[in-house]
Amino acid sequence: AIRMTQSPSSLSASTGDRVTITCRASQGISSYLAWYQQKPGKAPKLLIYAASTLQSGVPSRFSGSGSGTDFTLTISCLQSEDFATYYCQQYYSYPRTFGQGTKLEIK
Amino acid sequence: EVQLVESGGGLVKPGGSLRLSCAASGFTFSSYSMNWVRQAPGKGLEWVSSISSSSSYIYYADSVKGRFTISRDNAKNSLYLQMNSLRAEDTAVYYCARDSADSCPPDYWGQGTLVTVSS
Repeated sequence: AIRMTQSPSSLSASTGDRVTITCRASQGISSYLAWYQQKPGKAPKLLIYAASTLQSGVPSRFSGSGSGTDFTLTISCLQSEDFATYYCQQYYSYPRTFGQGTKLEIK
Repeated sequence: EVQLVESGGGLVKPGGSLRLSCAASGFTFSSYSMNWVRQAPGKGLEWVSSISSSSSYIYYADSVKGRFTISRDNAKNSLYLQMNSLRAEDTAVYYCARDSADSCPPDYWGQGTLVTVSS
């Protein structure tokens, strides 16, 4: 199975900050990488697919990049509603593995 | 509006069985692959199983292979997960999720149903 490793596991930031979360795959997955946002007690929400394509309705302050094994999610100007946990997921092959998550907290 | 509504969760003893259902509406269910994803309390997301639109292709996580069975009824717009030989480590919220398209990740998720395996 492809292992997905996110860093950092947690991150403290302030409204208006720019933050970057990284996700590394244990083998190449081309651009078959998605990013999700999850708030407590809620289902995950798809933010980005194909490594860099913004899902419809997602604010443009979210962006993704990378291919192969290394990927990043960037939030350019943090808003209060962005404090949540973020997960990457590869859908290159089954099992479709997730990263362990990055909890973004208010500083 | 796309809606996915899970049901069937509850408390079950180790070794017991449970069948989860996911009722889909607002889209042509028979055209989409579907998934089950779970989340243990306080933990991250774990993909469990996927089924193609016509049930031709089915995949399982190693952690549930041989114990869980995914199925669907396109006439009833419903997805199922039959869970047998349940273990404490299967305790989680189970989400059903729709793939956005072939070879694409899930774009719509249900609200989840809690399965608790405990004596």
